[in-house]
Amino acid sequence: EAGVAQSPRYKIIEKRQSVAFWCNPISGHATLYWYQQILGQGPKLLIQFQNNGVVDDSQLPKDRFSAERLKGVDSTLKIQPAKLEDSAVYLCASSLQQGSYLYEQYFGPGTRLTVT
Amino acid sequence: AQKVTQAQTEISVVEKEDVTLDCVYETRDTTYYLFWYKQPPSGELVFLIRRNSFDEQNEISGRYSWNFQKSTSSFNFTITASQVVDSAVYFCALRRNTGNQFYFGTGTSLTVIP
Repeated sequence: EAGVAQSPRYKIIEKRQSVAFWCNPISGHATLYWYQQILGQGPKLLIQFQNNGVVDDSQLPKDRFSAERLKGVDSTLKIQPAKLEDSAVYLCASSLQQGSYLYEQYFGPGTRLTVT
Repeated sequence: AQKVTQAQTEISVVEKEDVTLDCVYETRDTTYYLFWYKQPPSGELVFLIRRNSFDEQNEISGRYSWNFQKSTSSFNFTITASQVVDSAVYFCALRRNTGNQFYFGTGTSLTVIP
């Protein structure tokens, strides 16, 4: 079974520029997550989708970050404009859900963003 | 509030030694889930184990074992006879039964020296 795919793997941009990340979850996984992992820290949830609806975006900096999952499969995360403190690895994860029970999250390789 | 503490930032052991990674959590929930993930240098988080709050039975999987103690709010992870391939950052995480949000610790970087 194919894992969670993310692209690009690396991105370097200047502050105030825009950037977008793409995620393709494991086939059949209705739940998709975006995490931000700053160097030396654990992942922090940015947004959680259930199919194409947002379940939790309480920690998403909405003034500059946006995410969508239009067809309930692939998702994109955008930062506009980027700040230096956005430098981090952005991880996408997906999981199965049956009823109210969520299974384990499977993570992609991440996109390492450097803002200069 | 939920919190996961991994006090060990970095650990180095010589190959074949046993090593225990500590995890202490805080929650007022009665139902919750605890996880361990491995993050090798490639960056991908690899799921290792999930325990629910009602199951304190320790678990062994090959060289890996987990000790869950609700009385001390700990969920420690032991690698027996460590190998170089075990070198990675290991994260402990807590997930609430409602909301489904994960709370990760800051990770323990394990280096196994050949």
